[in-house]
Amino acid sequence: AQSVTQLDSQVPVFEEAPVELRCNYSSSVSVYLFWYVQYPNQGLQLLLKYLSGSTLVKGINGFEAEFNKSQTSFHLRKPSVHISDTAEYFCAVSEMDSSASKIIFGSGTRLSIRP
Amino acid sequence: EAGVTQFPSHSVIEKGQTVTLRCDPISGHDNLYWYRRVMGKEIKFLLHFVKESKQDESGMPNNRFLAERTGGTYSTLKVQPAELEDSGVYFCASSQVDSIEQYFGPGTRLTVT
Repeated sequence: AQSVTQLDSQVPVFEEAPVELRCNYSSSVSVYLFWYVQYPNQGLQLLLKYLSGSTLVKGINGFEAEFNKSQTSFHLRKPSVHISDTAEYFCAVSEMDSSASKIIFGSGTRLSIRP
Repeated sequence: EAGVTQFPSHSVIEKGQTVTLRCDPISGHDNLYWYRRVMGKEIKFLLHFVKESKQDESGMPNNRFLAERTGGTYSTLKVQPAELEDSGVYFCASSQVDSIEQYFGPGTRLTVT
């Protein structure tokens, strides 16, 4: 079984400041890792994913995440945030050896940007 | 290309009533998933269709929930009778065969009063 922990339910940040959203996972099997974003009144959108290879993954809107196998972490970062980044961010995993398998989500982190 | 669509966007019903949610996946996507987010908690998997067959329904909470995907196109999720704890946002997602990337719909917000 897999589980995902997002330690921060809310993260307030000033505009143009850097941000890190933390994610740790637990799994007895190898997993794919994802970050999804939900903007206000919209559906879930894939921000980035880690499948294999380089541990630093770049996504849309200037976000990136780093996979750390030893710490079972997949933290999301952005060097300078904008008001438009205000959203809820979800870390997620799915089992690697089973294609088209279900996604296990964390509880989400609300990112609020202050001008 | 149209994305995943869900209907209705919002539904408010009384305890004991029946509600049917609909999901139209992206055309050609054989995989269809239902997820639910209750009271600001994590988004939880409900079930997975491959075409019209239920591949995994391990997340269905109880027998008040019935999902169908006749013809392997759109899917419906019926809650009968609805209880207060069923309130939440129900998401549908679809993907191509052997693809790990799921595309999500905007969700249906269900409120049971």
